[in-house]
Amino acid sequence: DVKVTQSSRYLVKRTGEKVFLECVQDMDHENMFWYRQDPGLGLRLIYFSYDVKMKEKGDIPEGYSVSREKKERFSLILESASTNQTSMYLCASITGGAGGQARNEQYFGPGTRLTVT
Amino acid sequence: KQEVTQIPAALSVPEGENLVLNCSFTDSAIYNLQWFRQDPGKGLTSLLLIQSSQREQTSGRLNASLDKSSGRSTLYIAASQPGDSATYLCAVTGVPMDSSYKLIFGSGTRLLVRP
Repeated sequence: DVKVTQSSRYLVKRTGEKVFLECVQDMDHENMFWYRQDPGLGLRLIYFSYDVKMKEKGDIPEGYSVSREKKERFSLILESASTNQTSMYLCASITGGAGGQARNEQYFGPGTRLTVT
Repeated sequence: KQEVTQIPAALSVPEGENLVLNCSFTDSAIYNLQWFRQDPGKGLTSLLLIQSSQREQTSGRLNASLDKSSGRSTLYIAASQPGDSATYLCAVTGVPMDSSYKLIFGSGTRLLVRP
């Protein structure tokens, strides 16, 4: 079974702090994603990475950065946390390759509920 | 720009009923469509994935269909149980560019199955 783990289930930080959210997958997946989920807004893509050291902005990258130094690990960084970044953060991974038999099923971690006070 | 819509937003049914959740998308050029389940405060669990070349997928009491030309998918749940209570999300993957597989999500249907 694919396993995607996130470093924390719940996190409380203060405004202005630097925050690191870690995600690790154990299935050698090329693609990894960070989403945030908010009531009434659904899931929105923050950043994604399709290879080590490669990153692409999603729909709402402002205030965030990412790091992918190893294939299995994708980190989301809040350089200076703000209250409007209070949210549920979800990490996901998917195998790459557009080959005809690839299922390309996206697997999610359990989520990190971040509160910024 | 791809948009995914799920109707209804919430649904309450008595235990044992068969039910259908709907998902529609505006751009038929999709790579696949995935249905997820999310329990309160938890991550997403993949239920079914339908490739663009497929018409349906089944897993236990769940059956998902895909009509790409009309931009619609349905998730059919047979003989619903209280344990099925959750939010169900539909998501499509566009034709991948640069080896990336971004999902576009609907806003979900919150299902309550009453004992």
